Amino acid sequence: EVQLVESGGGLVKPGGSLRLSCAASGFPFNDAWMNWVRQAPGKGLELIGHIKSKAGGGTTDYAAPVKGRFTISRDDSKNTLYLQMNSLKTEDTAVYHCVWETRPGVFGSWGQGTLVTVSS
Amino acid sequence: DIQMTQSPSSLSASVGDRVTITCRASQSISRNLNWYQQKPGKVPRLLIYTASSLQSGVPSRFSGSGSGTDFTLTISGLQPEDFATYYCQQSHSIPWTFGQGTKVEIK
Repeated sequence: EVQLVESGGGLVKPGGSLRLSCAASGFPFNDAWMNWVRQAPGKGLELIGHIKSKAGGGTTDYAAPVKGRFTISRDDSKNTLYLQMNSLKTEDTAVYHCVWETRPGVFGSWGQGTLVTVSS
Repeated sequence: DIQMTQSPSSLSASVGDRVTITCRASQSISRNLNWYQQKPGKVPRLLIYTASSLQSGVPSRFSGSGSGTDFTLTISGLQPEDFATYYCQQSHSIPWTFGQGTKVEIK
């Protein structure tokens, strides 16, 4: 069974930092292209960024609102995906989901998400 | 980045109705278009990928069509469990992008 379990969310002040983790199991994580998708309260889905597998080049891409502030990384030895968030803004408040691309660009499996609240 | 625009933003329908949601891309995305369903408090669920392929386990009343810039999601015979928000998403070029969502409500 595929499992994606996010952790690390919480309350942080504007300008602060937070690191999210996503523990993956039930599929070949080292071959997986992975994403972080967020959803602000009452709003739609927004892709944060994407990381390819090492075999695919291991490259990352980010959405404009987070470029330069957020960094996605992975540790294939631990089957874990990370999201380092710096210079947080109130508009970054959202539930952050870890998502596996079961086909290129297709979000077939989602974690339950972890809530990040940015507030003073 | 490719912009995805859904219409309508919301609609009211009755059980048994045929419902159509459209999604337009800001440039051609071939058939690289996926649809998701999200119920309140739940994680999004993949319904359709590459425009018209039904994800395993999804009822056949859901169907997708289109190519290029214009796509549709059709629910043939709306069921009570189908009241939800639906999102399209392009998988043609990185960064992948979503439409703003269409909320299907009970009339």
